[in-house]
Amino acid sequence: DTGVSQNPRHKITKRGQNVTFRCDPISEHNRLYWYRQTLGQGPEFLTYFQNEAQLEKSRLLSDRFSAERPKGSFSTLEIQRTEQGDSAMYLCASSLSFRDTSTNEKLFFGSGTQLSVL
Amino acid sequence: GDSVTQMEGPVTLSEEAFLTINCTYTATGYPSLFWYVQYPGEGLQLLLKATKADDKGSNKGFEATYRKETTSFHLEKGSVQVSDSAVYFCALWEAGNMLTFGGGTRLMVKP
Repeated sequence: DTGVSQNPRHKITKRGQNVTFRCDPISEHNRLYWYRQTLGQGPEFLTYFQNEAQLEKSRLLSDRFSAERPKGSFSTLEIQRTEQGDSAMYLCASSLSFRDTSTNEKLFFGSGTQLSVL
Repeated sequence: GDSVTQMEGPVTLSEEAFLTINCTYTATGYPSLFWYVQYPGEGLQLLLKATKADDKGSNKGFEATYRKETTSFHLEKGSVQVSDSAVYFCALWEAGNMLTFGGGTRLMVKP
């Protein structure tokens, strides 16, 4: 168990450029979450996957954001036409989901990708 | 909707002092409650949890009791160490399939 891995750790881009982040969850975990965290704030939910299906998206996730989990393993989060307001830490988390909701609730987080939009 | 409110930091304590970080929540039903900790340069880690009223979660000397009557889940530790310096997040999980976090409280422990 190597934990949740996110790449890159840091990304600096110019406004208007597209960026893509990758998340590799813990191997047997069937749920994968994306959160966004700005400085001094708590993480805010963006979206989550159950296997390859994207089951819920936050209103925070504008049309410029898209997430995929094509084979139910790793996931990518793409931001198109980045804006300065997109600067944040993007966190990925995974969990193992059973019918027992208490098991659903234990999320394992990666260290995040810090995005800076200039 | 659901929300979590934490006391603002930073909280600065001397080693071996008593710690309390306040957390209150708003939810329509009966959520599960959590404390997560984020050490510098690391991802969030689950510290403790409680799934129903009057449950006490505990781990590494930290405790928190689920108080339904006051909608609170305050984090306590009797004697903090320098290694406890981190950011602490209170969170809840209700009917939706995600955690809702508070804003975080930074704890700084001085030797």
